[in-house]
Amino acid sequence: KAGVTQTPRYLIKTRGQQVTLSCSPISGHRSVSWYQQTPGQGLQFLFEYFSETQRNKGNFPGRFSGRQFSNSRSEMNVSTLELGDSALYLCASSFSQGGVDTEAFFGQGTRLTVV
Amino acid sequence: QKEVEQDPGPLSVPEGAIVSLNCTYSNSAFQYFMWYRQYSRKGPELLMYTYSSGNKEDGRFTAQVDKSSKYISLFIRDSQPSDSATYLCAMKPGGTYKYIFGTGTRLKVLA
Repeated sequence: KAGVTQTPRYLIKTRGQQVTLSCSPISGHRSVSWYQQTPGQGLQFLFEYFSETQRNKGNFPGRFSGRQFSNSRSEMNVSTLELGDSALYLCASSFSQGGVDTEAFFGQGTRLTVV
Repeated sequence: QKEVEQDPGPLSVPEGAIVSLNCTYSNSAFQYFMWYRQYSRKGPELLMYTYSSGNKEDGRFTAQVDKSSKYISLFIRDSQPSDSATYLCAMKPGGTYKYIFGTGTRLKVLA
């Protein structure tokens, strides 16, 4: 069974630009969560999607947005990039259906560098 | 005060030692607990997943949850140099979709 796939693996962007990151969950998983990981803050929750609906959102500015498609694939977008947005962005998928919570599996992440 | 506290280390042990990694938390509603291993520049890899209190064993790894003390542990037996990584604990209440992570403990197993 294929794991969680994130693309691209590395990105370098300039301040003020926008960026879109992609995540394909494990087959059959309908919940996709996004996290930002930095050395100073650790893993911080961005948002979670299930069946194309955002169910939960973390404490990030509106420049961070996401969406989920009918095939459960998800994208996150960061607009007007700032130097502080440089981080490893991680996507996690889980089964999470019918009130059953299961463990979350992570992808390898997209390392974003803003210059 | 953070909801989840984890000693950042680094923790250095000789090969073959038993390693004990711990997290404490303040939210008594947490019910789901996970341990991840993360190698440098890689995504976190799930090691253990536990619901509520008790022990769970998988190979060289044992996870313990003590909800009365708000304390979870991961034990690694017969540690190997390949176990050198950062170990992250994560937890959440039931019915929610957001995991709260510890900051991670760096482990070094010396050959």
